[in-house]
Formats: sequence, C-alpha cells, structure tokens
Amino acid sequence: DAKTTQPPSMDCAEGRAANLPCNHSTISGNEYVYWYRQIHSQGPQYIIHGLKNNETNEMASLIITEDRKSSTLILPHATLRDTAVYYCTRYSGGSNYKLTFGKGTLLTVNP
Amino acid sequence: EADIYQTPRYLVIGTGKKITLECSQTMGHDKMYWYQQDPGMELHLIHYSYGVNSTEKGDLSSESTVSRIRTEHFPLTLESARPSHTSQYLCASSGDRVRETQYFGPGTRLLVL
Repeated sequence: DAKTTQPPSMDCAEGRAANLPCNHSTISGNEYVYWYRQIHSQGPQYIIHGLKNNETNEMASLIITEDRKSSTLILPHATLRDTAVYYCTRYSGGSNYKLTFGKGTLLTVNP
Repeated sequence: EADIYQTPRYLVIGTGKKITLECSQTMGHDKMYWYQQDPGMELHLIHYSYGVNSTEKGDLSSESTVSRIRTEHFPLTLESARPSHTSQYLCASSGDRVRETQYFGPGTRLLVL
C-alpha cells in the first residue's frame, strides 16, 4: 500500500530538463505533495511542495495534475550535481506531522 | 538555511557498548525526528518528538531510546550496541505548523563490530 510510486531510476543529459514523475493516486484533498532529494547518503534536502497549483522556486518546478493523482518534478537544466535520489512524499498536516519516504528515484545526470 | 547538527559523524564501536548519538538544532523547532537508513535503502522513521517531554516511536521498531529535555536537543541512545544496529542515523527537525518542511542533519554512520 505505497503512498507514492516512483520509477526506481532515470537518466538525464547534463543541461537538459529532468522530469521526475510520481504517482499518488490515493491522495486526499488536504494532502500536500512534497519533494526531497538525497545526495550520496547526505541528509535529505527539501526541494518543493504543492497542494493543487503548480509551483516554482529557485531549485525546481512542480506540476500537479488536475485530479491530483500524479505530479512531476522538473529540474529545468540538470547539472552533474543534481545526481541524487529524489523522494516524492505526502503530508496532510493536522496533528500528524510524519512524512513517509519511499524508495525514491535515482536520477543520474550524465555529461 | 537550516542549522541542525549531528555528532559524531562516524562511529566505530564494539558490541555491548552504550552509545549516544547527538542531535541539536538552533532554529527553535518544536518537532524533531530520527530516521534510520541502510546503504541504498529507504529512510525509516524510528523516533519523533512534538516538543519537550514528548517522544513517540516511529514506524520502524528500534531498540534505541530518545529523550527531549530541551527544545534544541534530541539525543538517541543505544544501551548495548549490536552489529545489527550498524546503519546511518539521520536527525531532522521542523517548525512550521502548516507545512512539513523537515530539515535534516548530515547523519551519523554507525558501525558496530
């Protein structure tokens, strides 16, 4: 009963956009989608989050489908330093502040 | 930028020793977390705290214990280390009541011989 589903690995050429998909078909109306990444077993790093609307910050863009059952994290110009495991998670707020991290997607950016 | 610290970064210790992994944050966050992660595997929540004197067990059963006497400090203790405890331990904190942006420390790599 995975809360989110991601491909185990993806490759991307340096300088190209990396599009990482995430399926969260059972997401409820008040749950946010969060993305983190973990570079070579360092502590995970927050990237971006969203509820319904698409979001953009200095690191990435997040596209959420209208039915909210899936989302895509976009790194517009991937660099070698973006090679990492990317985690898509869900959070509903309220009194339960726990996040559940799945296996994530290992993104390898190739020169 | 978040300020959360973990010491030691690396620890090699013999079976049966008592160890304490330190985690401190300077952001005044009320929520803190401990995760365990084996190489190449996913993170598992083992302990969390929503404030001083509040601690709860996480989703993965762990023989470790935690305490939260001060807001900024959330140490993890293993009374008697075993080789099965060999892993990486990651501490995190968060403080926003609406969003759940967790800030992670660099982790402690523990090797029990």
